[in-house]
Amino acid sequence: GDSVTQMEGPVTLSEEAFLTINCTYTATGYPSLFWYVQYPGEGLQLLLKATKADDKGSNKGFEATYRKETTSFHLEKGSVQVSDSAVYFCALSDQVGEGAQKLVFGQGTRLTINP
Amino acid sequence: DGGITQSPKYLFRKEGQNVTLSCEQNLNHDAMYWYRQDPGQGLRLIYYSQIVNDFQKGDIAEGYSVSREKKESFPLTVTSAQKNPTAFYLCASSILGGYSNQPQHFGDGTRLSIL
Repeated sequence: GDSVTQMEGPVTLSEEAFLTINCTYTATGYPSLFWYVQYPGEGLQLLLKATKADDKGSNKGFEATYRKETTSFHLEKGSVQVSDSAVYFCALSDQVGEGAQKLVFGQGTRLTINP
Repeated sequence: DGGITQSPKYLFRKEGQNVTLSCEQNLNHDAMYWYRQDPGQGLRLIYYSQIVNDFQKGDIAEGYSVSREKKESFPLTVTSAQKNPTAFYLCASSILGGYSNQPQHFGDGTRLSIL
């Protein structure tokens, strides 16, 4: 079945450092890809998405490019802030039924940014 | 503002007891989902529903039940048959689309613990 593998955490960086969180996937067909962020005690928020090969999703300084040839969707940010500390989930979307979708998640990567 | 409301935020269950988690959305979304999150793991799909009075099992439906009597509401019952119910439960919703590119919107979750 479909699966998502994320970089092992936790990841600790200093403020203004460059961030990369690796994500690779295995899927039949052509899924959409997502990054979600979870702050402590909260639900998940959509950070960015890409729906086809070579698409680049971006939001709040974060970027990720859908690479079909390497089945990857790595998350990057050029200069992280303390407020970026959270758990980040990579996910792919697999359509089920008549239009509902099943999200398949990676295990999450906890990011801590020190001032 | 539109969104998803889950209640209660914290819930405690005694052995042999059924408990029901509430999920309400005012986003006018057709599809609703329940996920379970365990520490250090990604989310796993329990049940989903695409339309009122219809729902389908996800990957880990055993020991859970749902209903969808109204478009806005998708309660989850954790039955006594679920032997390891301690987890963080997240409800989500999305519009139905012809492609798997519609993001899911999440509530803030309910943390269930066993007394």
